Amino acid sequence: DIQMTQSPSSLSASVGDRVTITCRASQTISSYLNWYQQKPGKAPDVLIYGASSLQSGVPSRFSGSGSGTDFTLTISSLQPEDFATYFCQQSYSPPWTFGQGTKVEIK
Amino acid sequence: QVQLVQSGAEVKKPGASVKVSCKASGYTFTNYVIHWVRQAPGQRLEWMGWSNVGKGNTKYSQEFQDRVTITRDTSASTAYMELSSLRSEDTALYYCARGVDYGGFSYFDYWGQGTLVLVSS
Repeated sequence: DIQMTQSPSSLSASVGDRVTITCRASQTISSYLNWYQQKPGKAPDVLIYGASSLQSGVPSRFSGSGSGTDFTLTISSLQPEDFATYFCQQSYSPPWTFGQGTKVEIK
Repeated sequence: QVQLVQSGAEVKKPGASVKVSCKASGYTFTNYVIHWVRQAPGQRLEWMGWSNVGKGNTKYSQEFQDRVTITRDTSASTAYMELSSLRSEDTALYYCARGVDYGGFSYFDYWGQGTLVLVSS
């Protein structure tokens, strides 16, 4: 199975900050990498698919980059509604696997 | 609008089975795949398997191969996930999610609200 490792596991940031979360795959996955946001008590919502494509309806402050084994999710200017947990997920080969999550908290 | 509505919480004893349903609406049920993903307390999301609703075939994670059965009823636009031989480690929130393939990339674009399965003696 492909192992997905995110860093950091948590971070504290202020509204307006630029936030970067990284995700590393245990083997190359080309661009088959998706990012999700999950708020407490809710199901995840997709933000980015194919490493860098913005899902319809997602604010443009979210962006994704990377290919191969190293990927990044960037929030250009953190908003109050962005405090949540973020997961990466590979869809290169089954079983689809997820990162352990990065919790973004208010500083 | 697309909705996936799951059945309610379940409490089961070790060794029992549980069957969770996921009713789809707002789209053509047979045109998409339905995945099942679980989230145990403090653990990462874990993919269990999928049902290709239109073709009727399934694929399971080896982790659950021996214990999970995913089925669907196209007339009711409902997918089901049954997990047997339950143990305390199966206590988790179980989600169904619609799988979409866009530009060659697969991802989960809509999720159910989750079904809590508590395994306790």
